[in-house]
Amino acid sequence: EPEVTQTPSHQVTQMGQEVILRCVPISNHLYFYWYRQILGQKVEFLVSFYNNEISEKSEIFDDQFSVERPDGSNFTLKIRSTKLEDSAMYFCASSGLTGPEGWGEKLFFGSGTQLSVL
Amino acid sequence: KNEVEQSPQNLTAQEGEFITINCSYSVGISALHWLQQHPGGGIVSLFMLSSGKKKHGRLIATINIQEKHSSLHITASHPRDSAVYICASMRVNTDKLIFGTGTRLQVFP
Repeated sequence: EPEVTQTPSHQVTQMGQEVILRCVPISNHLYFYWYRQILGQKVEFLVSFYNNEISEKSEIFDDQFSVERPDGSNFTLKIRSTKLEDSAMYFCASSGLTGPEGWGEKLFFGSGTQLSVL
Repeated sequence: KNEVEQSPQNLTAQEGEFITINCSYSVGISALHWLQQHPGGGIVSLFMLSSGKKKHGRLIATINIQEKHSSLHITASHPRDSAVYICASMRVNTDKLIFGTGTRLQVFP
């Protein structure tokens, strides 16, 4: 089965520093997403990205956050000035019209980046 | 009240038992996802439903749009089914998934 790849798996940073979380979605997928999960809490939607632009974002996704698809394969989430409350597991996901029947709308998640802000 | 509610929060079962996890949502949706989160944190998509019923191996997912309710069933449960099961709704005309808090399932041999 195809895979979404996320790097790094763990990231430790100082408050106020910029971080970039990287994702390689499944080739030929069209829709890309970032979610986060604070320890012990439910998963939360951050942003969706389609056709090289943000299609939707949540209230969490403020001006400190940005996403980019700099080339045909990578999809990045940048947090400009990290805060303690940004500490969470960040998941990238992709979906699209690809793969065997029934896979087209299925969401494929990466294994996540655990971000710790000190 | 959460837009997506799951029950039970925790569930223990003996190997071989039939498992049911319930999900209710409060607004109209275009689709509902069932996801599995492993102890290590990784998330796997199990089903995406917009109506009716889907089956994959020992897993069955159903949805009743009128009642705004979905169920995930596991037949002949096995210890490897132990995980957190999450339902997530997608509102009409949006990409945004609203997640439930998850049901932690433990299956004992």
